[in-house]
Amino acid sequence: DAGVTQSPTHLIKTRGQQVTLRCSPISGHKSVSWYQQVLGQGPQFIFQYYEKEERGRGNFPDRFSARQFPNYSSELNVNALLLGDSALYLCASSLLGLQSEQYFGPGTRLTVT
Amino acid sequence: DQQVKQNSPSLSVQEGRISILNCDYTNSMFDYFLWYKKYPAEGPTFLISISSIKDKNEDGRFTVFLNKSAKHLSLHIVPSQPGDSAVYFCAASAINAGNMLTFGGGTRLMVKP
Repeated sequence: DAGVTQSPTHLIKTRGQQVTLRCSPISGHKSVSWYQQVLGQGPQFIFQYYEKEERGRGNFPDRFSARQFPNYSSELNVNALLLGDSALYLCASSLLGLQSEQYFGPGTRLTVT
Repeated sequence: DQQVKQNSPSLSVQEGRISILNCDYTNSMFDYFLWYKKYPAEGPTFLISISSIKDKNEDGRFTVFLNKSAKHLSLHIVPSQPGDSAVYFCAASAINAGNMLTFGGGTRLMVKP
């Protein structure tokens, strides 16, 4: 069975541009969460979606937005990119929207120049 | 403020010996805890979890201990193997926060042959 998949693997953008990252959860999982991991730190929660509804939002500016589609895949959008947005963006899926193990994808490495 | 802390950035252990990784938390609302292992260029891999109603959970070579009064948890790996060399993250969640995980900063474990 396929695990969580993310695309693209790597991305280089310029300050001020916009980026869209994609995630496909494990088959049967209905919850998707997004995390940002800056080098040398642990992942930081950005969003959680369950059954296409936002269930949680971390301490990130409104430049960050996300959505979940009927097939439970998800997109993370970041507008007006800043140098500080350079990070590994991780997507995690879980069966339910409540406390449970989350399974992470390999991440998208975003570099903003 | 860091609600989940891993105070040891790195740990070196001889193959076959016990590895003990520690994690402290400050938020008394946390009631579910997880450990993840991360290799370079991969997403975090779920290892083991524990609910606050337990003080110990065991899965093969991995055991997690939870001391609620001290707000401390630890991961024991016995016996340690070179393939265990990775960065280990502890994470915590609260029942009223859905699937949002708060991560520590990670501990790099090196198991020497």
